[in-house]
Amino acid sequence: EPEVTQTPSHQVTQMGQEVILRCVPISNHLYFYWYRQILGQKVEFLVSFYNNEISEKSEIFDDQFSVERPDGSNFTLKIRSTKLEDSAMYFCASSYSPTNADTQYFGPGTRLTVL
Amino acid sequence: AQSVTQLDSQVPVFEEAPVELRCNYSSSVSVYLFWYVQYPNQGLQLLLKYLSGSTLVKGINGFEAEFNKSQTSFHLRKPSVHISDTAEYFCAVSLYGTYKYIFGTGTRLKVLA
Repeated sequence: EPEVTQTPSHQVTQMGQEVILRCVPISNHLYFYWYRQILGQKVEFLVSFYNNEISEKSEIFDDQFSVERPDGSNFTLKIRSTKLEDSAMYFCASSYSPTNADTQYFGPGTRLTVL
Repeated sequence: AQSVTQLDSQVPVFEEAPVELRCNYSSSVSVYLFWYVQYPNQGLQLLLKYLSGSTLVKGINGFEAEFNKSQTSFHLRKPSVHISDTAEYFCAVSLYGTYKYIFGTGTRLKVLA
């Protein structure tokens, strides 16, 4: 069964450094998402992406964050200057269509630790 | 504002016993409802979803959930759990007209032998 993959599984970085989290969505999916979960808290929506544009973003997704689909398979989340509070599990998801009824398929997550 | 509440952070239950994981939501607009499961070191996997129609929804691995509009609840049930059901379970809602899911904090189900 096709699945969403994410790399790396765990990333440790120093505060102020840039990080790029990578995701490979399911191949025929057209809509892509990033979520994050701070330890002990809810999974929170960050951004959705379609046709090389952001279609929706949350208030968390400020200028420090950006997303890109650099080629036909990868979908990346960049944090330009990491802060301690960016430490979280980041989940990538994809769906074939953006309708609410369509299931989003999630990857296993990247645990980001900012020191 | 929309929100999802999972009151139980952890639920221990003995093998072959029934279990109910509770989920309540708050929304001023119509929603779709989902339950996801996360096994250790794996992604979130869809268990079941409610879109419309029958309020009792059956999912994978013998799980089912019932949508109760008056109580704004979507509780997940299984009549007899197995050790392999040990995982974290997330309830989520999707609002009409948006792309995002709103998740609860998750319930860790621990099945005891």
